[in-house]
Amino acid sequence: QKEVEQNSGPLSVPEGAIASLNCTYSDRGSQSFFWYRQYSGKSPELIMSIYSNGDKEDGRFTAQLNKASQYVSLLIRDSQPSDSATYLCADSPGGDNDMRFGAGTRLTVKP
Amino acid sequence: DADVTQTPRNRITKTGKRIMLECSQTKGHDRMYWYRQDPGLGLQLIYYSFDVKDINKGEISDGYSVSRQAQAKFSLSLESAIPNQTALYFCATSETGTGVTGELFFGEGSRLTVL
Repeated sequence: QKEVEQNSGPLSVPEGAIASLNCTYSDRGSQSFFWYRQYSGKSPELIMSIYSNGDKEDGRFTAQLNKASQYVSLLIRDSQPSDSATYLCADSPGGDNDMRFGAGTRLTVKP
Repeated sequence: DADVTQTPRNRITKTGKRIMLECSQTKGHDRMYWYRQDPGLGLQLIYYSFDVKDINKGEISDGYSVSRQAQAKFSLSLESAIPNQTALYFCATSETGTGVTGELFFGEGSRLTVL
């Protein structure tokens, strides 16, 4: 069973700090990796995708991928209370193949 | 109006009843999906459809069936509901293979409770 693992949290950081969310995956054939954000009572929304080893930055968000170690991380700089949500990690072998989701990490940013 | 609409949003039913969850979309996407979300388990794929004539089982299809009535409509049925099907159900669409862009557009969810 190919899996995506995340710490369920909760992860609590003070406002303005860097939040670091981690994810490991078991399928060495995975080619595509994604981070979704899900606010309480809402549906998930895609915030980052990464396909190559290294870092990918988008505003306050940085996704990091290390295929050799099979982990993906999401850094949120200058965390805001509005970043409080559950963050879902997902992977895929690519193309029309299914995405596999982790259980999510709940992040709380305290003012 | 939401691009992906699910009905009902909340439903309480009894064991053994037949339940249908409906999904309609205005995004014009061919690909539609049904996911189930349980606390601590993330999103699990139940069924997916790449067009009206294409239906595929996901990882947890047992106890569920689907119907793709049109490009814009994809329904999920529980023929005989059981308590462990109590969960939050999401319909989603995508423009391309999810392994390409990873972008799924989710409906607001249907919370089902089976007593």
